[in-house]
Amino acid sequence: AQSVAQPEDQVNVAEGNPLTVKCTYSVSGNPYLFWYVQYPNRGLQFLLKYITGDNLVKGSYGFEAEFNKSQTSFHLKKPSALVSDSALYFCAVRDTGGFKTIFGAGTRLFVKA
Amino acid sequence: ETGVTQSPTHLIKTRGQQVTLRCSSQSGHNTVSWYQQALGQGPQFIFQYYREEENGRGNFPPRFSGLQFPNYSSELNVNALELDDSALYLCASSWGLNEQFFGPGTRLTVL
Repeated sequence: AQSVAQPEDQVNVAEGNPLTVKCTYSVSGNPYLFWYVQYPNRGLQFLLKYITGDNLVKGSYGFEAEFNKSQTSFHLKKPSALVSDSALYFCAVRDTGGFKTIFGAGTRLFVKA
Repeated sequence: ETGVTQSPTHLIKTRGQQVTLRCSSQSGHNTVSWYQQALGQGPQFIFQYYREEENGRGNFPPRFSGLQFPNYSSELNVNALELDDSALYLCASSWGLNEQFFGPGTRLTVL
């Protein structure tokens, strides 16, 4: 069965420091992996995706993510955090049949000035 | 090109009633999905429609049903509302298996 795990409820980082938000997944076949961000009282916004190709994918607002097949992970990273990055981040996996998308429970990122 | 819109923004219903939520997908998108997001949780997949037919469903009972129309709009219907149905309902559209574009959601409160 498909599943997504985000092991950290909250990540705290100082502005200017690198950040990592962790995600591991389980899915049969080749995964379609996504990261979304949710700001208060707003819908989810797409950040980046991995479907095939290079394991390091770059997305919006300076975010990137590394796909690691052996560890079934897709961690979100940013070299230098901004206070405005503070939000709720969701990892999601879509099965190759494309019939279902499963989201993780979310990780709240707090960037301190 | 307009984004995904949802109506209404907020809705209050009583237990046992029925509700219809509406979504207008981004033009050109052939796939629409509905999610339930309880407070403090991630979105839970309800079902997905592709070219007006349901082609994927999560662990939700049959009282959750939907429709997708040729003009990119979609509906989520919930019958016999229960208190646990109180949540933010999100609609998302996409072109095939690509990234989804989400609407702002409808917050449903069941009393």
